[in-house]
Amino acid sequence: DVKVTQSSRYLVKRTGEKVFLECVQDMDHENMFWYRQDPGLGLRLIYFSYDVKMKEKGDIPEGYSVSREKKERFSLILESASTNQTSMYLCASSPPRRGPSSYEQYFGPGTRLTVT
Amino acid sequence: DAKTTQPNSMESNEEEPVHLPCNHSTISGTDYIHWYRQLPSQGPEYVIHGLTSNVNNRMASLAIAEDRKSSTLILHRATLRDAAVYYCILGSGNTPLVFGKGTRLSVIA
Repeated sequence: DVKVTQSSRYLVKRTGEKVFLECVQDMDHENMFWYRQDPGLGLRLIYFSYDVKMKEKGDIPEGYSVSREKKERFSLILESASTNQTSMYLCASSPPRRGPSSYEQYFGPGTRLTVT
Repeated sequence: DAKTTQPNSMESNEEEPVHLPCNHSTISGTDYIHWYRQLPSQGPEYVIHGLTSNVNNRMASLAIAEDRKSSTLILHRATLRDAAVYYCILGSGNTPLVFGKGTRLSVIA
């Protein structure tokens, strides 16, 4: 069974702390994504990566960075956490979309981060 | 990004069919139509996708209008476990999927 795992389901951090959110997939997927989800705003794309050491900004990259040193792992970093980064963070992976059969994106269970 | 329009919410009785509409009048020729759903306290999960022809799988059916400007996700017999937010998304090539706010489906026993 395909799997995307995230390091924590719930996390509480203080303002100004550096926060690492880890995501690991076991499907050998090239593409990986980080989204955040807030009530009334839906899912918004933060960063994504098409390959190891590659990264692309999504719609809301400010205040975040990412790291992809290995194919299976994609880390989201909050350099200095702020209260407005309190949110649900969702990681996803997919094979490269080159044809009609490769359009499925797999999501992890999410990390609910609270910054106090 | 090509945009989709979905109703904010819909309600269905258990064991009845549900038709979830999606309008995408600005769809391009290479855009696939994707449907995902998000159950409470979970990440989104893939439901179905299609390009021009209607599609069926074990979860649902996707009916695509001939001009491709709209589509309908059909759940043949809604169950309480189908209560979720359903997202209709356009995407092509290897670009990331952009999720809107979706339709919140409530299923009444």
